Amino acid sequence: NAGVTQTPKFQVLKTGQSMTLQCAQDMNHNSMYWYRQDPGMGLRLIYYSASEGTTDKGEVPNGYNVSRLNKREFSLRLESAAPSQTSVYFCASRSRDRELAYNSPLHFGNGTRLTVT
Amino acid sequence: AQKITQTQPGMFVQEKEAVTLDCTYDTSDPSYGLFWYKQPSSGEMIFLIYQGSYDQQNATEGRYSLNFQKARKSANLVISASQLGDSAMYFCAMREIYNQGGKLIFGQGTELSVKP
Repeated sequence: NAGVTQTPKFQVLKTGQSMTLQCAQDMNHNSMYWYRQDPGMGLRLIYYSASEGTTDKGEVPNGYNVSRLNKREFSLRLESAAPSQTSVYFCASRSRDRELAYNSPLHFGNGTRLTVT
Repeated sequence: AQKITQTQPGMFVQEKEAVTLDCTYDTSDPSYGLFWYKQPSSGEMIFLIYQGSYDQQNATEGRYSLNFQKARKSANLVISASQLGDSAMYFCAMREIYNQGGKLIFGQGTELSVKP
């Protein structure tokens, strides 16, 4: 019962370095999301993928890129890390069994704690 | 404009007592859903309860219930008979049906501490 798996769990980067956060779900979900969590600000949406082959910007997309590699995997890339990107990153997924289903919760991974120095 | 507001950054409650965590929201969409999540110190996000805008009754799940007041745009979480394990961050979130992708918009969170 893996659910949503994120790697790595922890990462320290220097300013300007790049890295990719990996996310995979085994629940056959259509939609996947990347959020960042900062103290006092809740979770803010970076990018999402409503279905395989599509990606869209969320509230705070600057400095990030995403790839929906297949139905299972949705990666988040930081091309040139900045200290402002120090945060906890969560990947989530959701079932869309019915076109207008709006009561399905997001299922979250355990997060990646990223520090940029 | 803030769509989800949780005005209580921190709350304390005595073990075995009930506690209400506040959440107000702002939307012009007549169809929406409201969610509550728990985040213990270990960091994972745990889904607790859901309320739809057209639901006639307040949602309940075990010791969790939602005090949904549509006209006031509030969806407060009530935890009955608090336990030490309820100490955590709690997030209120909303999904508007008109928006694409089914994304959730989160509030800032309330940190609940249960005292023995």
